[in-house]
Amino acid sequence: RKEVEQDPGPFNVPEGATVAFNCTYSNSASQSFFWYRQDCRKEPKLLMSVYSSGNEDGRFTAQLNRASQYISLLIRDSKLSDSATYLCVVIFNAGNMLTFGGGTRLMVKP
Amino acid sequence: DTGVSQDPRHKITKRGQNVTFRCDPISEHNRLYWYRQTLGQGPEFLTYFQNEAQLEKSRLLSDRFSAERPKGSFSTLEIQRTEQGDSAMYLCASSLISRTSSYGYTFGSGTRLTVV
Repeated sequence: RKEVEQDPGPFNVPEGATVAFNCTYSNSASQSFFWYRQDCRKEPKLLMSVYSSGNEDGRFTAQLNRASQYISLLIRDSKLSDSATYLCVVIFNAGNMLTFGGGTRLMVKP
Repeated sequence: DTGVSQDPRHKITKRGQNVTFRCDPISEHNRLYWYRQTLGQGPEFLTYFQNEAQLEKSRLLSDRFSAERPKGSFSTLEIQRTEQGDSAMYLCASSLISRTSSYGYTFGSGTRLTVV
């Protein structure tokens, strides 16, 4: 079983739609949680951190459920520019190494 | 340049050849990480340094892979006797770690390796 699992998609949605991605992680001792965005053939870039209390940044909302070991990302009012791969990322240990899920591909269509 | 730099951006090599990639981290960052990403997968951690000390190398994929950071600044990743399965994007990242916090985890643009 992978340490961080995501539905690979692709999710094909029209502009303006709301889309949600889910992620599960296996290590209950996980310390930190993030969503990264990766455009085709580019490096991953931090989208947002994920906290137990949930957090929102504009159209993006991230939530963490430690009991279920589950992380989510909600994107409202999708834009064409949101088309990318969204990577769920967990830090398990003090080494601060990032453990990535396989990514979920989003394609927003006009 | 305030970002993480990687060189070369692209490398095509014949199977069996050795390759070396370079990473220049953000200058004030004390930690440097190497990851590998194959097509359709998320990045996979390989190794990391704190200053010049390599603190984790058990995730290096085989003994053909080695990394150095001799003066605690730039780092190199070498793959000996390359195989077609080594074709991937090799990503470097750096961050600043203090006793209490971590700052500025930043990736470079990567080196794309193709083994033919």
